[in-house]
Amino acid sequence: EDKVVQSPLSLVVHEGDTVTLNCSYEVTNFRSLLWYKQEKKAPTFLFMLTSSGIEKKSGRLSSILDKKELFSILNITATQTGDSAVYLCAVGDMDSNYQLIWGAGTKLIIKP
Amino acid sequence: NAGVMQNPRHLVRRRGQEARLRCSPMKGHSHVYWYRQLPEEGLKFMVYLQKENIIDESGMPKERFSAEFPKEGPSILRIQQVVRGDSAAYFCASSPSRTNEQYFGPGTRLTVT
Repeated sequence: EDKVVQSPLSLVVHEGDTVTLNCSYEVTNFRSLLWYKQEKKAPTFLFMLTSSGIEKKSGRLSSILDKKELFSILNITATQTGDSAVYLCAVGDMDSNYQLIWGAGTKLIIKP
Repeated sequence: NAGVMQNPRHLVRRRGQEARLRCSPMKGHSHVYWYRQLPEEGLKFMVYLQKENIIDESGMPKERFSAEFPKEGPSILRIQQVVRGDSAAYFCASSPSRTNEQYFGPGTRLTVT
């Protein structure tokens, strides 16, 4: 059965710290891995990764995919209170109409 | 360029009534996805539609739930004879193709009393 597992489930750090969120997956026919940020509203798209080893970067956020070991990490440097959110990982499976299989999310709390 | 629109944002229904949730995808997007999210839980896929076609409804309960995406107008998620367990946030997402990232609407929070 396809699955996406995120860790940790929750994380509390202080402003300025760097955090690394993990997403591992098992899908039949991998197409892409996506990261979203969800505050108290709809998920907002962060990154889509399809190739191994190529880092995607946006400001203080970056992400990389390892298709051999079947995982991705999302890094946030110099965290701010506005980074507090649930970070969701989803994987597209070509064998399931490209349906996205979602992880449960990592709840990140940044303390001032 | 307007994002994904959903309405209503909040909907209160009594047990046994019908709930109709609407979703207008982003301009140029012909693929629509509906998700349900319970408090403190992850997103659960319900149904994937293209214009006039249901592509995948494997996540949608067989009874009381239906979805459509007509040639003209928004996509509709319809829940008949609602029960308390249907209370959740229902998100719609759209994409220009099935291989692209999905963009989410603000969601409809359904409360069944």
